[in-house]
Amino acid sequence: DIVMTQSPDSLAVSLGERATINCKSSQSVLHSSNEKNRLAWYQQKPGQPPKLLIYWASTRASGVPDRFSGSGSGTDFTLTISSLQAEDVAVYYCQHYYSNPITFGQGTRLEIK
Amino acid sequence: EGQLVESGGGLVQPGGSLRLSCAASGFTFSSYAITWVRQAPGKGLEWVSGISGSDGATYYADSVKGRFTISRDNSKNTLFLQMNSLRAEDTAVYYCVKDPTTVTTGFFDCWGQGTLVTVSS
Repeated sequence: DIVMTQSPDSLAVSLGERATINCKSSQSVLHSSNEKNRLAWYQQKPGQPPKLLIYWASTRASGVPDRFSGSGSGTDFTLTISSLQAEDVAVYYCQHYYSNPITFGQGTRLEIK
Repeated sequence: EGQLVESGGGLVQPGGSLRLSCAASGFTFSSYAITWVRQAPGKGLEWVSGISGSDGATYYADSVKGRFTISRDNSKNTLFLQMNSLRAEDTAVYYCVKDPTTVTTGFFDCWGQGTLVTVSS
């Protein structure tokens, strides 16, 4: 199974500042079939289901503000929030979809400093 | 994008059984892969089981293989998860989730609100 490891486990950032969350996979999730990284990011607010933010490592989902961006390739990925807003307080998860079983990172809790 | 509504959760004793349902609307249900993802209280996300839209192929996490069965009724736009031999570690909110396209990808653009399963004596 591919193990997804996020860092840090928790993060406190001031409003308007940049937040960066890292995700590392135990093996490459770059698929040869389409040369795309099979990596997604989700945001989960308290009491709500997760919401898709990013797929194919860097494609924003519909309706996601452009302050959210994804980058990386192979085994190392980053979710960046360019200017933190109050509504961005949440837990963020990365997920690979390279093969079954699909696995998620352990989550990163983002708070306001 | 569509809507997914789970039901069937509740309190069950260890060793017992439960059947979850997921009612879908707003998209051509039969064309999409649908998956169950669970989240134990205060914990992260765990993929449980998926079923393809094209040929009905099924997939299971090792933790539930042999105990859980996923199925779908395309005539009723409904997904099921039959859970047998339940254990305390199966306690979680179970989410029904959908692939964004008819070509199965493995990421999920639509999530239900979830149904809570509690396994306890």
